[in-house]
Amino acid sequence: QKEVEQNSGPLSVPEGAIASLNCTYSDRGSQSFFWYRQYSGKSPELIMFIYSNGDKEDGRFTAQLNKASQYVSLLIRDSQPSDSATYLCAVNPSGGSNYKLTFGKGTLLTVNP
Amino acid sequence: GAVVSQHPSWVICKSGTSVKIECRSLDFQATTMFWYRQFPKQSLMLMATSNEGSKATYEQGVEKDKFLINHASLTLSTLTVTSAHPEDSSFYICSARWQQETQYFGPGTRLLVL
Repeated sequence: QKEVEQNSGPLSVPEGAIASLNCTYSDRGSQSFFWYRQYSGKSPELIMFIYSNGDKEDGRFTAQLNKASQYVSLLIRDSQPSDSATYLCAVNPSGGSNYKLTFGKGTLLTVNP
Repeated sequence: GAVVSQHPSWVICKSGTSVKIECRSLDFQATTMFWYRQFPKQSLMLMATSNEGSKATYEQGVEKDKFLINHASLTLSTLTVTSAHPEDSSFYICSARWQQETQYFGPGTRLLVL
């Protein structure tokens, strides 16, 4: 079973702080990694994707990938109350020709004003 | 980003009726679309993968005769819940594959079966 693990949280941070969300995956051959944000009662929206080891930055968001450790993280700088949501990590397992993603169960982030 | 729409956003129906949900990719062609279901406070559950012009691939435990999927064009996939029952009440979300494995989600359809 190819798995994606996330701490369910809730992760609580004060406004303006850095929120760090973590994800580990079991399939060492995985090649593509995604972070989605899901507000309560809404569908997921794509924040970032990352394919290569290292960091990828987009505005206040930074995705970090370490394939050797099978670890991907999302940093949110200058966290805002509007960032309060569940963050889903998703991985495309190796050998999959059907483009399916395996999702973690998500981490609930709360940013306190 | 790419835009995916779903219709309807809300549907209430009586037990035993069938409900059709449409998923459209508005600004790109999607050869592959996916259908998910999400119960309250639970994670996304993939129901099936829909490929344009071919039969859908269902995940283990999902009844293909109950959840009919048609992907007749590069911008439209439909999910029909046949003979719906209260236990089918859920949040149904589609996604469309944009490039490589990137999926963009529709806004979802809330189904309530009375």
